[in-house]
Amino acid sequence: QQPVQSPQAVILREGEDAVINCSSSKALYSVHWYRQKHGEAPVFLMILLKGGEQKGHEKISASFNEKKQQSSLYLTASQLSYSGTYFCGSNSGGSNYKLTFGKGTLLTVNP
Amino acid sequence: DVKVTQSSRYLVKRTGEKVFLECVQDMDHENMFWYRQDPGLGLRLIYFSYDVKMKEKGDIPEGYSVSREKKERFSLILESASTNQTSMYLCASSLRAGGYNEQFFGPGTRLTVL
Repeated sequence: QQPVQSPQAVILREGEDAVINCSSSKALYSVHWYRQKHGEAPVFLMILLKGGEQKGHEKISASFNEKKQQSSLYLTASQLSYSGTYFCGSNSGGSNYKLTFGKGTLLTVNP
Repeated sequence: DVKVTQSSRYLVKRTGEKVFLECVQDMDHENMFWYRQDPGLGLRLIYFSYDVKMKEKGDIPEGYSVSREKKERFSLILESASTNQTSMYLCASSLRAGGYNEQFFGPGTRLTVL
């Protein structure tokens, strides 16, 4: 079952902040975040692991609440280059190799 | 840098044709994935492979098959294309098991079935 992302879309002015949420109905081992610009391939942003470990870009911050099976991506002081569709992907661990992606959040940053 | 390439950016086929989509990665990754992306539905996993000749069904495997004869190459096959398979197809690879390792995506193939 796909994780649920919210909001579906958000419009910001440059310099404003945004939070994108990702909730799963299953227990999570890890959550991945990717950004896809129009006409391009999704690009990796961050992985958050059960137990608190993180891997990703220094300028991106995110949280992972294992009990609530939720993750949030924090975009602060947004820039025009942040525009795109953000996807979270959930993984339930073990021998499970696959990610199940949410439907995406469209972020538009205007000047 | 990891590079994932797909054989075509755009493809137009007729209903009933057999269609091959090819994906190649150059970083010796163990895992490879095929997704389809449709507006409002996000990325949905069709099949993945965790080793040469090994494959597992994803969430929407119906109407598709895959082949992985060499580590760097993963093919998606539509045995008899149908109009509801018109979509963007994305290939991805990762170093090892999906939980800890990021996926690297190819540029996608936009397939239209007439």
